[in-house]
Amino acid sequence: DVKVTQSSRYLVKRTGEKVFLECVQDMDHENMFWYRQDPGLGLRLIYFSYDVKMKEKGDIPEGYSVSREKKERFSLILESASTNQTSMYLCASRAGTAYNEQFFGPGTRLTVL
Amino acid sequence: AQSVTQLDSHVSVSEGTPVLLRCNYSSSYSPSLFWYVQHPNKGLQLLLKYTSAATLVKGINGFEAEFKKSETSFHLTKPSAHMSDAAEYFCVVRAGGGATNKLIFGTGTLLAVQP
Repeated sequence: DVKVTQSSRYLVKRTGEKVFLECVQDMDHENMFWYRQDPGLGLRLIYFSYDVKMKEKGDIPEGYSVSREKKERFSLILESASTNQTSMYLCASRAGTAYNEQFFGPGTRLTVL
Repeated sequence: AQSVTQLDSHVSVSEGTPVLLRCNYSSSYSPSLFWYVQHPNKGLQLLLKYTSAATLVKGINGFEAEFKKSETSFHLTKPSAHMSDAAEYFCVVRAGGGATNKLIFGTGTLLAVQP
């Protein structure tokens, strides 16, 4: 079974802190994704990566950056956390094209105070 | 541009009765459509997908969906609800044609199943 793990289930940070969210997948997928999930808004794509060191902005990249130094690991970075970044963050990975299934991690619920 | 609209934010059914979760899509291309489910405190899981083969698609746990081009719909159904079906369901469309990598998620429908 594909497994996507996220470093924390719950995280509480202060405004202005730098925050790292880590995601690891064990199926050698070339594509990885970061979404945020907010009530009534569904999932919105922040960034995705289709190869090591490659990244593309999603629909809401402002205030975020990403890093993919190894194929299995995709990190989301909040350079200076703000209260409006309080949300559930979901990581996903996928082999090949968008016809294929995306496998999701359990999510990290981030609260910024 | 591609988009999906989930017509109900909340649906409540009794155990053993049919489930209908509605989704309309907009697409400039022949669309690829998906339904994902998210159980409480768990990651999303693929229920089923349509990629231009049979218009009636069967998925896991007894769910199915029918692609209707004339109505631009992809509604999710199940003949008999089970308590374990209580979850949030997302209708999803692939963004664009060609090799595009992105999916567009609907806003979700929360399904409650009453005993």
